[in-house]
Amino acid sequence: AQTVTQSQPEMSVQEAETVTLSCTYDTSESDYYLFWYKQPPSRQMILVIRQEAYKQQNATENRFSVNFQKAAKSFSLKISDSQLGDAAMYFCAYKKPNFGNEKLTFGTGTRLTIIP
Amino acid sequence: DGGITQSPKYLFRKEGQNVTLSCEQNLNHDAMYWYRQDPGQGLRLIYYSQIVNDFQKGDIAEGYSVSREKKESFPLTVTSAQKNPTAFYLCASSLGLSGNTIYFGEGSWLTVV
Repeated sequence: AQTVTQSQPEMSVQEAETVTLSCTYDTSESDYYLFWYKQPPSRQMILVIRQEAYKQQNATENRFSVNFQKAAKSFSLKISDSQLGDAAMYFCAYKKPNFGNEKLTFGTGTRLTIIP
Repeated sequence: DGGITQSPKYLFRKEGQNVTLSCEQNLNHDAMYWYRQDPGQGLRLIYYSQIVNDFQKGDIAEGYSVSREKKESFPLTVTSAQKNPTAFYLCASSLGLSGNTIYFGEGSWLTVV
């Protein structure tokens, strides 16, 4: 079974600085998808960024980028120029690509605090 | 606006009562999901449905039931058999094809007293 591990329960960063959240996963598949979701105090899960395992290029979305190391099964999220609105729980998630098995497997999350 | 609507946002029920959480989407997505989140934890899959009139158990289906009579709707019933139903429940949907991103509703808080 696939597992996703986020080893940092809490992180904090000074506003405007850069922070990296860690995620590792375990799978025997060669093709899969990885996601970072943000959950602010409102509790809604918001997609931050997505990475396809077959793509070597790291995904980026404005201030958010990932460092995808397939061999190491590592998928870290870098947030540049941190803003107060970035404060939230961040969840790493894994999904197999097979039709009929669409479920996401989540890590336990990292709570990110932004220090003004 | 396109999206996923869950209702009610907050629900209180007495122990032993069944309760149904509503989930509606107007994104024309084929697949819909129900997840449960407990404090300080990630999400766990309860049920999912790829198409109308078909659904599959997730990792923690015991004590829950669902139906999928319409593409837009995927209600979740928390039955009295669910031993610890107090939690935050999230509905989600996706196009249903391999690799498509899963999008979430705003969630429903269920408290059983």
